[in-house]
Amino acid sequence: DTAVSQTPKYLVTQMGNDKSIKCEQNLGHDTMYWYKQDSKKFLKIMFSYNNKELIINETVPNRFSPKSPDKAHLNLHINSLELGDSAVYFCASSDTGLKASPLHFGNGTRLTVT
Amino acid sequence: GDSVTQMEGPVTLSEEAFLTINCTYTATGYPSLFWYVQYPGEGLQLLLKATKADDKGSNKGFEATYRKETTSFHLEKGSVQVSDSAVYFCADTGRRALTFGSGTRLQVQP
Repeated sequence: DTAVSQTPKYLVTQMGNDKSIKCEQNLGHDTMYWYKQDSKKFLKIMFSYNNKELIINETVPNRFSPKSPDKAHLNLHINSLELGDSAVYFCASSDTGLKASPLHFGNGTRLTVT
Repeated sequence: GDSVTQMEGPVTLSEEAFLTINCTYTATGYPSLFWYVQYPGEGLQLLLKATKADDKGSNKGFEATYRKETTSFHLEKGSVQVSDSAVYFCADTGRRALTFGSGTRLQVQP
């Protein structure tokens, strides 16, 4: 069974479009995250939800809007896509109490904006 | 803000060579420290962790020791294999979320 699954795996779209990426975890974790990995492999936190409540919202454009219908799901909606949004987006989850609780990552969604 | 610095890659080694990937952190207090590994086309996987000073994390022949005096958590392996080729990320429990280093690509040649 896949622990953290995200769809789609690949997403190719044109500038200006709106797209969504879905994420689900079956680990029973309370906290979920979205990370962005750029072409140089640098990983940056975007959002974090704990029990459906937004707890981290880094300096991300308003075009990005996370939605957590329940604690097992965290979706990412992106409006008016730009070339610079091209990256790999990773969903992750962890138990509450971050200090010793590792993140479990999905396999990523490679977004290409043309 | 908190940051994690790790050596730039790529690191290219022959099979059975000794590996060291340096990592230093700036988070104050007593952060937990992690090494993650990313194989091509996959997400990051936890490799090992340490939660307090002088702890040694180990897994699959890799190890790293939490050194508070030097704020370091260097990754080592005595004899690398081709299958270890991947990108390795050091991370600490920053102020609000896990903070990752920039990643070090390891290429092991037969």
